[in-house]
Amino acid sequence: NAGVTQTPKFRVLKTGQSMTLLCAQDMNHEYMYWYRQDPGMGLRLIHYSVGEGTTAKGEVPDGYNVSRLKKQNFLLGLESAAPSQTSVYFCASGPRRGQRIDTQYFGPGTRLTVL
Amino acid sequence: AQKVTQAQTEISVVEKEDVTLDCVYETRDTTYYLFWYKQPPSGELVFLIRRNSFDEQNEISGRYSWNFQKSTSSFNFTITASQVVDSAVYFCALSEHRNTPLVFGKGTRLSVIA
Repeated sequence: NAGVTQTPKFRVLKTGQSMTLLCAQDMNHEYMYWYRQDPGMGLRLIHYSVGEGTTAKGEVPDGYNVSRLKKQNFLLGLESAAPSQTSVYFCASGPRRGQRIDTQYFGPGTRLTVL
Repeated sequence: AQKVTQAQTEISVVEKEDVTLDCVYETRDTTYYLFWYKQPPSGELVFLIRRNSFDEQNEISGRYSWNFQKSTSSFNFTITASQVVDSAVYFCALSEHRNTPLVFGKGTRLSVIA
């Protein structure tokens, strides 16, 4: 049981390049989230998904797109990377409402640098 | 709107001292959940506790204790007899319903000096 995994762990991009961050969970969770962490800002929600095929915007969605084609995977895409997207990205998952254990479980993070 | 405030940006204590990390929250909902996470220097987020709004009992887990007071909208975290391994950034977070996205405070960096 790996929990929540993120690929890659580190990445350096040039401005304008694109990339996709992959989040995978093996806990059969309905809900998945992408957050970004910047110094002094805590974690802020980018996008989230309450089930396969559904996504919704969070607090800071601009410049990102997401897809949830399979229940266990949640992809975060940067179409044209900008230096302002330099950050640590965390994925999280959690069971659907009503289940007894309703804590969000976080992946190890992806450190992205945009030059 | 939801908001979590951790007014202490950085705290430094000497080993074995007790330390309290403050967390004040804002929400309009009567049902909500409060969390504490630890982020050690290695970077991962470690879940410490979840508390729902209907349970105001304080909780103790080893050297850790939490004081939830709805009257002051606070959910403070105390480490007793701090150790160097407690050095980390600690985040308080709020969720208005089960599994809605978390709203995080900006974190408190705790340094425990030997």
